[in-house]
Amino acid sequence: AQTVTQSQPEMSVQEAETVTLSCTYDTSESNYYLFWYKQPPSRQMILVIRQEAYKQQNATENRFSVNFQKAAKSFSLKISDSQLGDTAMYFCAFMGSGNTGKLIFGQGTTLQVKP
Amino acid sequence: GAVVSQHPSRVICKSGTSVKIECRSLDFQATTMFWYRQFPKQSLMLMATSNEGSKATYEQGVEKDKFLINHASLTLSTLTVTSAHPEDSSFYICSARDGGQRGAAFFGQGTRLTVV
Repeated sequence: AQTVTQSQPEMSVQEAETVTLSCTYDTSESNYYLFWYKQPPSRQMILVIRQEAYKQQNATENRFSVNFQKAAKSFSLKISDSQLGDTAMYFCAFMGSGNTGKLIFGQGTTLQVKP
Repeated sequence: GAVVSQHPSRVICKSGTSVKIECRSLDFQATTMFWYRQFPKQSLMLMATSNEGSKATYEQGVEKDKFLINHASLTLSTLTVTSAHPEDSSFYICSARDGGQRGAAFFGQGTRLTVV
């Protein structure tokens, strides 16, 4: 069975600085998808970034980028130039090769951006 | 990204009554939708997979008779919490996969259910 682990329950960062959130996962599949979702206080789940496992190039979306290490089964999220609006809970998620849409989530990391 | 709409956003019901929550994909068709439950400051726990035109698949430990799921069309899935009790109070979220968005799943706004 696949598992996703986020070992940082809480993190904080000063506005305009950079922060990295960690995520590791376990799977026996070779083809899969990884995601980072953001859940602000409104509790709406927002897709931040996605990575296909067959792609070696790390995904980037504006200030958000990932460090995908397939052999190490690691998928960290880097947020550059942190903004107050980045304050939220962040979830790392795994979707298997069946690509049905079923997600396995990590425990989440609460990020506080301080002014 | 694709849009998933969930209704209602908040509901308060009396113990013993039933509550229906709707999940709609507004701009794409979804043969499969998912229902999650989330407790405060915790992760999302998958409850069931809703399959259009067939029975839902429930995760281990989830009572299928308490959480009835119907997926009657390609854009609508409903979750009915039957004979609700205070312990059913929680945040329920649905999601659907948009095949055109490279496999990403998109989420509804969530429903905060309070049983009194």
